Amino acid sequence: ELKVEQNPLFLSMQEGKNYTIYCNYSTTSDRLYWYRQDPGKSLESLFVLLSNGAVKQEGRLMASLDTKARLSTLHITAAVHDLSATYFCAVDITSEKLVFGKGTKLTVNP
Amino acid sequence: GAVVSQHPSWVICKSGTSVKIECRSLDFQATTMFWYRQFPKQSLMLMATSNEGSKATYEQGVEKDKFLINHASLTLSTLTVTSAHPEDSSFYICSASGRARPRSNQPQHFGDGTRLSIL
Repeated sequence: ELKVEQNPLFLSMQEGKNYTIYCNYSTTSDRLYWYRQDPGKSLESLFVLLSNGAVKQEGRLMASLDTKARLSTLHITAAVHDLSATYFCAVDITSEKLVFGKGTKLTVNP
Repeated sequence: GAVVSQHPSWVICKSGTSVKIECRSLDFQATTMFWYRQFPKQSLMLMATSNEGSKATYEQGVEKDKFLINHASLTLSTLTVTSAHPEDSSFYICSASGRARPRSNQPQHFGDGTRLSIL
């Protein structure tokens, strides 16, 4: 059974600081996705990582995938308040079925 | 714009009633639809997977007689929560996957979710 572990689960940081969220998974997969969820809302797709070594960047967020280590990271650079949300990674195992991590609730304080 | 439409977005009803949630793919054929449930401060939990024209596959622990799923066409799936009780209150999210979907590197396109509150 595939397990997807995110850490930390809660992250409180100051504006302007950098931090990384980690996503580990237990079985072989080369397809990993990052989503953002605002309170009361559904998921918003952030990044699609489809191969080993994939790196994607959008604004202050950068995601990478190491399939050999079964690890993805979501790096936050110079955080701003608008980045406050819950971030989920999800791994694609078969038939497009996704297994989600527990989520990282990010709070960026002024 | 949205490629998956979910309706209603919010439902409040009395215990014992049945509630139907619709999930529509707007500009592609959804051969597979997924239904998730999310309790407060928790992750998404897959409830069932449905393929057009066939019976849904339910995840372990999900009562198929309680959560009726119909996927009769390539653009519509419905989830009916039968005889709902307060413990069924949750955020329900559908997603769709299929042929020639927009932004095809996405495995699934998510609806906006339905917040169900049972009194």
